Formats: sequence, C-alpha cells, structure tokens
Amino acid sequence: EAGVVQSPRYKIIEKKQPVAFWCNPISGHNTLYWYLQNLGQGPELLIRYENEEAVDDSQLPKDRFSAERLKGVDSTLKIQPAELGDSAVYLCASSLDRGELFFGEGSRLTVL
Amino acid sequence: RKEVEQDPGPFNVPEGATVAFNCTYSNSASQSFFWYRQDCRKEPKLLMSVYSSGNEDGRFTAQLNRASQYISLLIRDSKLSDSATYLCVVPPGGSQGNLIFGKGTKLSVKP
Repeated sequence: EAGVVQSPRYKIIEKKQPVAFWCNPISGHNTLYWYLQNLGQGPELLIRYENEEAVDDSQLPKDRFSAERLKGVDSTLKIQPAELGDSAVYLCASSLDRGELFFGEGSRLTVL
Repeated sequence: RKEVEQDPGPFNVPEGATVAFNCTYSNSASQSFFWYRQDCRKEPKLLMSVYSSGNEDGRFTAQLNRASQYISLLIRDSKLSDSATYLCVVPPGGSQGNLIFGKGTKLSVKP
C-alpha cells in the first residue's frame, strides 16, 4: 500500500515568491494534516482536514498561507509571498478517524 | 509548565546500554500518549502507544505516570540503529483538539 506522497521534496525560492506543496494521503484516510517542522523542533500543526472540511486552521498564518483539499483527497498548501522565516520542512500526514498519523517524507523549503 | 516538555539531549550511549527518556505534559485530562521516532532528515513514524500504565514491545518499554504527569521511554540493549530523535506526543484534553508534539530527544548510540 502506498504511503503519504508529497511533492516537491525540495524547493528553493527567493523571498516574496509563491510556492505550493502537494500531498496525496493514504487511500481511505479521511483526516489530513499539514505540519511545519523547524530544525530541532517537533512538528507544529498548521491545518487539519476532516474529509474536505478544514476543521482546525487556527495556527495557519492566513495572510500568506492557504490550503485546500478538494474532493476530500489530495491537498495543496500555498505560501504567497514567502518570507525568509518560512524556511522549514512542511510535512503532510493522514490518519483514519484520527488514529495513528502516517507522515509523508516532507517538502523542504529554503527561502533565500 | 509547557504543554509537552522533553530533554533535547543528545544522549550519547554505547551499544548495549539501557537508556531512558522522560516527557512531561501539562494537561491532566490527556488519556493516551505516543512515542514517535524520527530519523535524520526523515519523517516521524509511530514507535509505541501508551494507553494505560504502560506498554512493552521487545527492547522498548513505555510507561505512564498520571500522578506526576509524565511518560517515559526505556530502551534496553541499545543498537546503532536506535540512533534517532524520539518525539513525545500528547493528545489534547478533549476529543476535538490536536496531538501536540514535543521537541524530541536525540539519541546517538555509539559502537
């Protein structure tokens, strides 16, 4: 069974440029999460979806970050414009009925 | 007290050693807990769940102390392959919140 798939794995952009990350969760998993992880820190939740509904986006910086999960399957996370402080690893995870979290390999963003 | 606190380490131990990590949490209503393992530049993966007083899986033992609000992870007979960061994960007190990850404890097992 395929795991959580994320792309791109690496992205280097200049500040003020836009960037988008894509996530395909494990088939049948209704809950999808986007986390941000800085070096030496644990993952921090940005947004959680139950099917296609964003049920918790309280930690998402809405002035520059947006996310969508059309049809309750794939999801995209966008940053526009990116800032230097956005350099981090963006992890997507999925779970079935909020059980065990399965993470993708992450998208490592470097903003110059 | 912070929601989840872990000693960041690093814990440097020789092969075969026994090592233990603690994790303290602030929400006394939390019911079940988890340890995730994260290898360098990889994604976190579930290592163990802790639902009641404790859980044992081979060389790994996780224990929960509700009175003192901490969970521990004990690794016996350490292997080189155990080198990783171990993340303590605490659920919210209610059913609607989100899992809270600690910053992780780094373990390095040396030959």
